[in-house]
Amino acid sequence: TQLLEQSPQFLSIQEGENLTVYCNSSSVFSSLQWYRQEPGEGPVLLVTVVTGGEVKKLKRLTFQFGDARKDSSLHITAAQPGDTGLYLCASYTARETSGSRLTFGEGTQLTVNP
Amino acid sequence: DVKVTQSSRYLVKRTGEKVFLECVQDMDHENMFWYRQDPGLGLRLIYFSYDVKMKEKGDIPEGYSVSREKKERFSLILESASTNQTSMYLCASSFWGAGNQPQHFGDGTRLSIL
Repeated sequence: TQLLEQSPQFLSIQEGENLTVYCNSSSVFSSLQWYRQEPGEGPVLLVTVVTGGEVKKLKRLTFQFGDARKDSSLHITAAQPGDTGLYLCASYTARETSGSRLTFGEGTQLTVNP
Repeated sequence: DVKVTQSSRYLVKRTGEKVFLECVQDMDHENMFWYRQDPGLGLRLIYFSYDVKMKEKGDIPEGYSVSREKKERFSLILESASTNQTSMYLCASSFWGAGNQPQHFGDGTRLSIL
């Protein structure tokens, strides 16, 4: 099972600041997903990155996949209180005979203060 | 929109009881998953199922069993509940695929074992 390390574990910032969170592995990712989990809800998929060096943007969120496909980052510009939540990265272990399963990192708990 | 429904948001049980957590999805997904989520440990996979009556152990199956008699329903069973099974339990579903499939989560069941 691939191990994913996320950093930082906790992040508390003021509204309007920029931030970056990271997801790293010692193994190569086949693909990587980022989820956000808001209080009292289940995680929701934000993006999937597949190609090394890939950059995807989702409004103020920018996702980058490392060239070697062993790391990924999520950058938020001008953070807002609505960005508060737990950010999880996850990668698939493909299994030919029994379906695919995700391995999750421990998450970064982001708090954006008004 | 995909809907994954967990039968209870909050549940309180006593040590030694047999506990059933139910999950239903409405998108004809082949794969279904049960995770537990604990602070600092992220999401850990308990069991998953890629077809009716099929199941596979995840990373922490001890003390749990599952049942999938119908495609849309996946049940998690705590055979004899213990206090260390107090946790948030999340159900998810996805289409079969080699990877990159998003997982869709329910809103979780917060289970307390007294």
